[in-house]
Amino acid sequence: KAGVTQTPRYLIKTRGQQVTLSCSPISGHRSVSWYQQTPGQGLQFLFEYFSETQRNKGNFPGRFSGRQFSNSRSEMNVSTLELGDSALYLCASSLAVSGGQKYFGPGTRLTVT
Amino acid sequence: KNEVEQSPQNLTAQEGEFITINCSYSVGISALHWLQQHPGGGIVSLFMLSSGKKKHGRLIATINIQEKHSSLHITASHPRDSAVYICAVRSGSGGGADGLTFGKGTHLIIQP
Repeated sequence: KAGVTQTPRYLIKTRGQQVTLSCSPISGHRSVSWYQQTPGQGLQFLFEYFSETQRNKGNFPGRFSGRQFSNSRSEMNVSTLELGDSALYLCASSLAVSGGQKYFGPGTRLTVT
Repeated sequence: KNEVEQSPQNLTAQEGEFITINCSYSVGISALHWLQQHPGGGIVSLFMLSSGKKKHGRLIATINIQEKHSSLHITASHPRDSAVYICAVRSGSGGGADGLTFGKGTHLIIQP
């Protein structure tokens, strides 16, 4: 069974631009969650989707948004990029609605210059 | 908001030693996860616990719900166990943002 895939793996953007990251969950998994990891703050929860509905949202500004498609693939978007948005963005999929064993993707490393 | 504290922050041990990593949290939870992250970023979920104890190979995870505390043990440690181990909890309230809250991680180095 293929694992969780994320694209792109690496990305360099300029302040003020916007970016879209993609996550394809394990086949059959309907829950996808997103996380930001930085050296200073560690891992932080962004949002969680199940069956195309946002179930939970972390404490991030409105510049961070996401969506989930009918095939469970998910995208997250960050608008008006700031230097502090440079981070590793990870997604994870699971079978359960809000819980269950999580399977992480390799992450997208975003650098904002 | 749940606060998650891990100890120790850094741990260096010799191959074969028994390793214990601790995690404490402040608010009742519905589940606790232990994660392993190797250099390069990839995260592997080791355990998900809501009570009791789980074992997988040389790894053992325990949780005490009353004391709001969990431990991850590694028996017969090996250099390939060198990684960052992260504790994460999902709060049990069900309302608002109840995604995972993470500890800062324990950086483990096992020397041959």
